[in-house]
Amino acid sequence: GQQVMQIPQYQHVQEGEDFTTYCNSSTTLSNIQWYKQRPGGHPVFLIQLVKSGEVKKQKRLTFQFGEAKKNSSLHITATQTTDVGTYFCAAETTDSWGKLQFGAGTQVVVTP
Amino acid sequence: ETGVTQTPRHLVMGMTNKKSLKCEQHLGHNAMYWYKQSAKKPLELMFVYNFKEQTENNSVPSRFSPECPNSSHLFLHLHTLQPEDSALYLCASSQEGQGSLTLYEQYFGPGTRLTVT
Repeated sequence: GQQVMQIPQYQHVQEGEDFTTYCNSSTTLSNIQWYKQRPGGHPVFLIQLVKSGEVKKQKRLTFQFGEAKKNSSLHITATQTTDVGTYFCAAETTDSWGKLQFGAGTQVVVTP
Repeated sequence: ETGVTQTPRHLVMGMTNKKSLKCEQHLGHNAMYWYKQSAKKPLELMFVYNFKEQTENNSVPSRFSPECPNSSHLFLHLHTLQPEDSALYLCASSQEGQGSLTLYEQYFGPGTRLTVT
């Protein structure tokens, strides 16, 4: 079964609002990566988190790795139309050693 | 972005055809990957090559056959495919890992949109 779960699957956001997407696992994660795929495009790497409780920021994007290393979140403030796309988390779990397991993604639609 | 290129970008083939997908990376990486992306499903890892050696075959049907002649090139040979094989096939590359390939980000190509009729 799927080891890395992402919620929500879809997110409709009004431009200017904030939103958060979550990545959860029942097993401990060695590390976690986040990717963004624009409509019609391919996944593009955003960030990697390795340490327990780690927080990293990229402009309006804030990435967090849980203390227990079983979950992660991506928070976007003041959403813009350029944020449209699908955000994937990908992680190496204890059951998938040496390979990244991708979540199903959160598809984000921004309403002007 | 031209770090990872894939050809063709679109492919329509019948179930009895034989075709090949090509991937080339210009990043000096030693690990290359094939993924399948179907609608409403997570990215599925198909094959992994590290230093030209296949290190992962994720229970992929034998109608998909990978080939990695060198660290810069990766092929996916297709034959007698089924309609459910229609999907976006993505190639990616990354630096080799010291004990774990997942410590490095993956760079994806634009993909080949495959339709099996």
